[in-house]
Amino acid sequence: EDQVTQSPEALRLQEGESSSLNCSYTVSGLRGLFWYRQDPGKGPEFLFTLYSAGEEKEKERLKATLTKKESFLHITAPKPEDSATYLCAVQAERNNDMRFGAGTRLTVKP
Amino acid sequence: DAGITQSPRHKVTETGTPVTLRCHQTENHRYMYWYRQDPGHGLRLIHYSYGVKDTDKGEVSDGYSVSRSKTEDFLLTLESATSSQTSVYFCAIGAGGEQFFGPGTRLTVL
Repeated sequence: EDQVTQSPEALRLQEGESSSLNCSYTVSGLRGLFWYRQDPGKGPEFLFTLYSAGEEKEKERLKATLTKKESFLHITAPKPEDSATYLCAVQAERNNDMRFGAGTRLTVKP
Repeated sequence: DAGITQSPRHKVTETGTPVTLRCHQTENHRYMYWYRQDPGHGLRLIHYSYGVKDTDKGEVSDGYSVSRSKTEDFLLTLESATSSQTSVYFCAIGAGGEQFFGPGTRLTVL
């Protein structure tokens, strides 16, 4: 069965303190791995798609990387507006199902 | 923002009553999805549609049915609501893993 595990569950950073969020996955034939951001009371917002090991994507202070077993979301010099829950999801080659992790709740203090 | 609306946004109902949630999109997208989000479980796919009258089950489809008679509308029905179906329900559109989510419906079943 496809599984996605995100760690840590919650992370508190000071503004400017860089860190990484982890997404470990098991899937039979990866079609893609996806990162989303979710603000309280809102629907998730798409950030990145990664398709193969070694691939990297960047957007502002965020960089996502992918290996055969896990993905990292690196946050460089975060700002308070980066506070949100970050979700990771995988999609298998065999179907259209998306399997999401439970998320990492990031708080950035000024 | 992708043109996705959900109605109602909040609903409180009693066990055993039928409930229908509506998702409306203005993007003319072929694929539409229904998810539920619960603490500790993340987002889980209930059903999805790949065209008018074409639907398929997701990870947690028991107790739910869907219908899509028009491209723009995707309905989720709980035939006889149970307390375990208390959740936040999100509709999404998109191809593959790059999906755009609606604002959500908070459903409470007493």
